Amino acid sequence: GAGVSQSPSNKVTEKGKDVELRCDPISGHTALYWYRQSLGQGLEFLIYFQGNSAPDKSGLPSDRFSAERTGGSVSTLTIQRTQQEDSAVYLCASSLETIQETQYFGPGTRLLVL
Amino acid sequence: DAKTTQPTSMDCAEGRAANLPCNHSTISGNEYVYWYRQIHSQGPQYIIHGLKNNETNEMASLIITEDRKSSTLILPHATLRDTAVYYCIVRRISGAGSYQLTFGKGTKLSVIP
Repeated sequence: GAGVSQSPSNKVTEKGKDVELRCDPISGHTALYWYRQSLGQGLEFLIYFQGNSAPDKSGLPSDRFSAERTGGSVSTLTIQRTQQEDSAVYLCASSLETIQETQYFGPGTRLLVL
Repeated sequence: DAKTTQPTSMDCAEGRAANLPCNHSTISGNEYVYWYRQIHSQGPQYIIHGLKNNETNEMASLIITEDRKSSTLILPHATLRDTAVYYCIVRRISGAGSYQLTFGKGTKLSVIP
């Protein structure tokens, strides 16, 4: 079956511009997670959704980062006024129903801020 | 979550079994052992997980020692497409922040023709 999909796969932007990253979870998965992976760094948790609500936004690095999820499915991660340190691979994962379930990752969006 | 220790890199001949070890000596009773892998420029791929019994699926087998302080991921017939970084993680499945996955440095497995 279809896995987690993310778009765009690559994004190059100029410093100061806003970007939107999209995640389409596995059909029927109600929990959705955003992570960031920088070169040479580990996996950094950003936010998780249960349905349309985000019980934990503690990993968002600054108020330039926001995320929403509508219809219990697609999620969008928005970065405003991008900075060079925002360059990373942004990964989305989803899991079935509860946070105890296994997380399945998408291919990621590679963001490069010039 | 308990910390894990893995070798930095390993080589395996194509067609042979790849045995990837992981130490997790401080694992707690409510923590599972999970394995993911990440092929270059792709997202992490779930492989297998277990609590205390050995597990097998279509991708791999997971052998967990009786004291649960270490485990081994076995790829029975490695192919070139199995070349990747393999991450062993120990994960609580309940409690605050248990859903926040943390990858260490993992083991870079190179499958050689």
